[in-house]
Amino acid sequence: DVRVTQSPSTLSASVGDRVTITCRTSESISSWLAWYQQKPGEAPKLLIHKASTLESGVASRFSGSGSGTEFSLTISSLQPDDFATYYCQQYKSYYSFGQGTKLEMK
Amino acid sequence: QVRLQQWGAGLLKPSETLSLTCAVFGGSFSPSYWNWIRQSPGKGLEWIGEITPSGSANYNPSLQSRVTMSVDTSKNQFSLKLISVTAADTAIYFCARGFPGDTAIIGLSYYYYYYMDVWGKGTTVTVSS
Repeated sequence: DVRVTQSPSTLSASVGDRVTITCRTSESISSWLAWYQQKPGEAPKLLIHKASTLESGVASRFSGSGSGTEFSLTISSLQPDDFATYYCQQYKSYYSFGQGTKLEMK
Repeated sequence: QVRLQQWGAGLLKPSETLSLTCAVFGGSFSPSYWNWIRQSPGKGLEWIGEITPSGSANYNPSLQSRVTMSVDTSKNQFSLKLISVTAADTAIYFCARGFPGDTAIIGLSYYYYYYMDVWGKGTTVTVSS
C-alpha cells in the first residue's frame, strides 16, 4: 500500500502570508494526488486533483505542484476563510490520506 | 450538481453490525465509483472501500474481512455494512463519489483515475456498551 506523509502537522500563519504544505508518498504515484480542505463539522472539500489542477470554483490563491513522490500545496495569500485542516490523498492505488495539516491563526 | 445524502444508525453496541446508506441526487450513477471513508481522531481519514454501479467492490485490506458494500441502481443508492464492530470503529463515516476525471495513456491502454469530488455530510457512529 502507498503510504502518505504530510508535513507540518500544524502551521501557524497570519492573513496575507504565503504558506506551503508538503506531502510525500512511499512510492511514485505520478501526478495522482489530490488536496482537500476540511473545516470542523464538515466533510473534506476537494481543492486540487492531478497534483496541480484546480477544482472548479476554488480560489486561484490555491496551487499545487509536484510529481513522483513529492508534492506541495501553496496558498499565496492567506484569507480568513482558509484557516482549516488540509489533507493530501493519493489515488494511484486505491486511496490513502496524509495525516493532515492544521492551519491556525498566529 | 450532484449531492449525496447519507443515513444510518449512530449508536451501536460491540459485536453489532454497522449499516449506512448513501443516496445520490442530481447526477448519473455511472460511470463513477462510490466510496466510504471514515475519520477518527486516532487514525485520521481512512478509506473503507469502493463499489462500481455494476456492483463490483474493492475494500481496504485492513477491513476486508468485515466489510460488505452493495449498490441499488434503481434507487441511486449504495450501502455499507461493517460487522462485529468494536470501539475502534467509532468514527465519522462519509460517503463520496470517485469521479473518473483524470486519464492517462500507458502503452496502448487508456486508464481512468478516480478522485473524490463530492462528499456526503458524514454520519457519526459511536460503538459503546
